[in-house]
Amino acid sequence: EVQLVESGGGLVQPGESLRLSCAASGFTFSDYVMHWVRQAPGEGLEYVSSITGNGGNTYYADSVKGRFTISRDNSKNTLYLQMGSLSAEDKAVYYCARSEIKDITISGVIMIGPIDVWGQGTTVIVSS
Amino acid sequence: EIVMTQSPASLSVSLGERATLSCRASQSVSHNLAWYQQKPGLTPRLLIYGASTRATGTPPRFSGSGSGTDFTLTISSLQSEDFAVYYCQQYINWPSITFGQGTRLDIK
Repeated sequence: EVQLVESGGGLVQPGESLRLSCAASGFTFSDYVMHWVRQAPGEGLEYVSSITGNGGNTYYADSVKGRFTISRDNSKNTLYLQMGSLSAEDKAVYYCARSEIKDITISGVIMIGPIDVWGQGTTVIVSS
Repeated sequence: EIVMTQSPASLSVSLGERATLSCRASQSVSHNLAWYQQKPGLTPRLLIYGASTRATGTPPRFSGSGSGTDFTLTISSLQSEDFAVYYCQQYINWPSITFGQGTRLDIK
């Protein structure tokens, strides 16, 4: 069974750091682009960050750039999100998710498919 | 950034009736459009990808259409389990993937 299981969420104070983990199983982890997507209470879905299969390329939403770091350990089938300088605006459920690579163009542009598997989410609360 | 705009924000429909949800992209995404269903307290679930292809396990009463900038999700005969929030998402512009703000589908 294909599964993504997040952990590491919790209550932190503003300015503190937190590391989220996502354990993958049931598929060849290194074949997939992995994402973090978050959802603030009562709000919609917000893209946070992505990483390519070999970890060589990482991407961030402007709202987290410079504060968050995405990484992966393919030997452990695990995705990470190191979050720093947390503020109340980062309070959300954080989902780990995957997309397959549909194509790589001649110029090296990666085309991905939809997010086809989501984890159950882990909750981050930032409050003093 | 490609902005995805969904309409209406909320929709009330009776059981057995048809529901039509819309999603508009600020620039062409070709067919790189997905629809997700999210029930309260649960994880989003992929329903439709490639604008019109049903994901594994998606009932045939769900259909997607459109290309370019205008897309529609139609639920032909609403069942009680269909009441949820629906999001569209473009993935042509990865890593700058974006979601619509969602349409809440309620029982009338």
